[in-house]
Amino acid sequence: GAVVSQHPSWVICKSGTSVKIECRSLDFQATTMFWYRQFPKQSLMLMATSNEGSKATYEQGVEKDKFLINHASLTLSTLTVTSAHPEDSSFYICSLWTGTQPQHFGDGTRLSIL
Amino acid sequence: DAKTTQPTSMDCAEGRAANLPCNHSTISGNEYVYWYRQIHSQGPQYIIHGLKNNETNEMASLIITEDRKSSTLILPHATLRDTAVYYCIVSLYNQGGKLIFGQGTELSVKP
Repeated sequence: GAVVSQHPSWVICKSGTSVKIECRSLDFQATTMFWYRQFPKQSLMLMATSNEGSKATYEQGVEKDKFLINHASLTLSTLTVTSAHPEDSSFYICSLWTGTQPQHFGDGTRLSIL
Repeated sequence: DAKTTQPTSMDCAEGRAANLPCNHSTISGNEYVYWYRQIHSQGPQYIIHGLKNNETNEMASLIITEDRKSSTLILPHATLRDTAVYYCIVSLYNQGGKLIFGQGTELSVKP
């Protein structure tokens, strides 16, 4: 069964709005959660690493003020795309790591900004 | 983390074994080889990983060469549902940790 629940699976928004994506661990307490972005026909690109109770670590080139990550508990991390624009349209995927098992991935959120 | 090189695409007949190669010539002694796959519009799915010994699980087998510079993922009896992009990733961490995805191999299983 699913280990990671990602919500919503699909969202369409107007340009300028903020969008929150939730990543929830169903069976495990996740030491670390990762956020990826994937554009059409491309591979996954790691955006940030999130540890419970501490600030996220962002990869080079990813704007931390644009992509707000909150990892308030061992079972929930959220990614907020602030003031989204059409170029932010992408497939956003989270994954969780318990430290003792390989990463488990969510099924992704397809974000379309009009 | 070491870089990996995989063929862009491969075809396989349904019911036959699918052998997906991966080169990781700059791998260091403490780096693991991971395989994930991504079926269209879904999140990646873990398949298998190993350090230097060959590994087998219910999904696949992983063959790592003695010098560890390359590996092969084997799907013993490919089905249409195995059509996906397969990613070979090298990582310092056992049991997960940070994964950097390359371009992967697009495997098409044909009837």
